[in-house]
Amino acid sequence: GDSVTQMEGPVTLSEEAFLTINCTYTATGYPSLFWYVQYPGEGLQLLLKATKADDKGSNKGFEATYRKETTSFHLEKGSVQVSDSAVYFCALSVIYNFNKFYFGSGTKLNVKP
Amino acid sequence: EAGVAQSPRYKIIEKRQSVAFWCNPISGHATLYWYQQILGQGPKLLIQFQNNGVVDDSQLPKDRFSAERLKGVDSTLKIQPAKLEDSAVYLCASSFGTPDGYTFGSGTRLTVV
Repeated sequence: GDSVTQMEGPVTLSEEAFLTINCTYTATGYPSLFWYVQYPGEGLQLLLKATKADDKGSNKGFEATYRKETTSFHLEKGSVQVSDSAVYFCALSVIYNFNKFYFGSGTKLNVKP
Repeated sequence: EAGVAQSPRYKIIEKRQSVAFWCNPISGHATLYWYQQILGQGPKLLIQFQNNGVVDDSQLPKDRFSAERLKGVDSTLKIQPAKLEDSAVYLCASSFGTPDGYTFGSGTRLTVV
């Protein structure tokens, strides 16, 4: 069935380091892909999305490219800040399959000054 | 545009008691989702409605959880009787059926003691 797998955390980085959080998906068809962020004590916020192959989503310095050939949607940021410390969730939607929406298990990012 | 409204924001109950959560989706959104997010985990889909019909309730513990969406608008999720392991944030989301159209509520944090 349709699913999302993301790297386990926590990921601990120093400020200004490069960030990659891996996400791969399984879907029969062409899903839309999302990254959500959840700051401590807060709700889910949409970070970025991509709706078709080779699309690049970007927001707040974060980027992710929809790679159909590797079924991946890895999240990257060139220089992380302490304020980026949060839990990041990869997700996919399958509109052709009754509009299902699935989340990965989440990756906690800790950024140290 | 008003967001997805959920109430209450917080609820503390004793085990074996019952509890109900309410969700009002964005006007015109046909699809409504209920998720359970246990601390440290990703949101797990409990039930999905399309208008007032159930699309997927495969992960809903039907011996204690129930949900309804009368008239295809508001929805109520009930737990009876509650167990300690039901302590979680219960998220409601709605969708218009396009990749841009997913909106999440702020959630209800349930603590079962």
